[in-house]
Amino acid sequence: EDQVTQSPEALRLQEGESSSLNCSYTVSGLRGLFWYRQDPGKGPEFLFTLYSAGEEKEKERLKATLTKKESFLHITAPKPEDSATYLCAVPNSGNTPLVFGKGTRLSVIA
Amino acid sequence: GAGVSQSPSNKVTEKGKDVELRCDPISGHTALYWYRQSLGQGLEFLIYFQGNSAPDKSGLPSDRFSAERTGGSVSTLTIQRTQQEDSAVYLCASSFIGEAYEQYFGPGTRLTVT
Repeated sequence: EDQVTQSPEALRLQEGESSSLNCSYTVSGLRGLFWYRQDPGKGPEFLFTLYSAGEEKEKERLKATLTKKESFLHITAPKPEDSATYLCAVPNSGNTPLVFGKGTRLSVIA
Repeated sequence: GAGVSQSPSNKVTEKGKDVELRCDPISGHTALYWYRQSLGQGLEFLIYFQGNSAPDKSGLPSDRFSAERTGGSVSTLTIQRTQQEDSAVYLCASSFIGEAYEQYFGPGTRLTVT
């Protein structure tokens, strides 16, 4: 069965303290890896799609990278408004649209 | 423009009762998905509608769960004879066909079964 594992489960950063979140996956034939942000009480918000190893995408203070086994979401000089749960997902090799990890809960303290 | 909307936002029901959850997708989106999110768990796929094709029901946890999509737009998720383990946030998402993984989510319905 395909698996998506995110680490750490929770991360607490001081404002301006850069760090990275990890998403490792095991799928037969990757058809893309997806990052979402979820704020409390809201549905996930789409951030990035990565399709091939070596690909990188950036949005404001976030940069997502992809290797053959894992993806990283790098957060540079985070601000309190970056606090959220970050989810990664991959399409299942079967018929289900997306398999999500459990997420990393990020807290950025001013 | 309008995003995905879901109603009700919260639902408290007694064990054994039936509930209906509604999802209005983004206009023009032909694919619609239902997920369930329990505390401390990831999003769990339930069912997927794509255009006029038969829905993919492979994620439904039991035959108490069913969903329909009328007119290729609004969808209703029905849970019969609710159990306490059904308590969760039920999320709906929609997308264009061909961009099935760039899904746009609604705010969810928080279901509590007492």
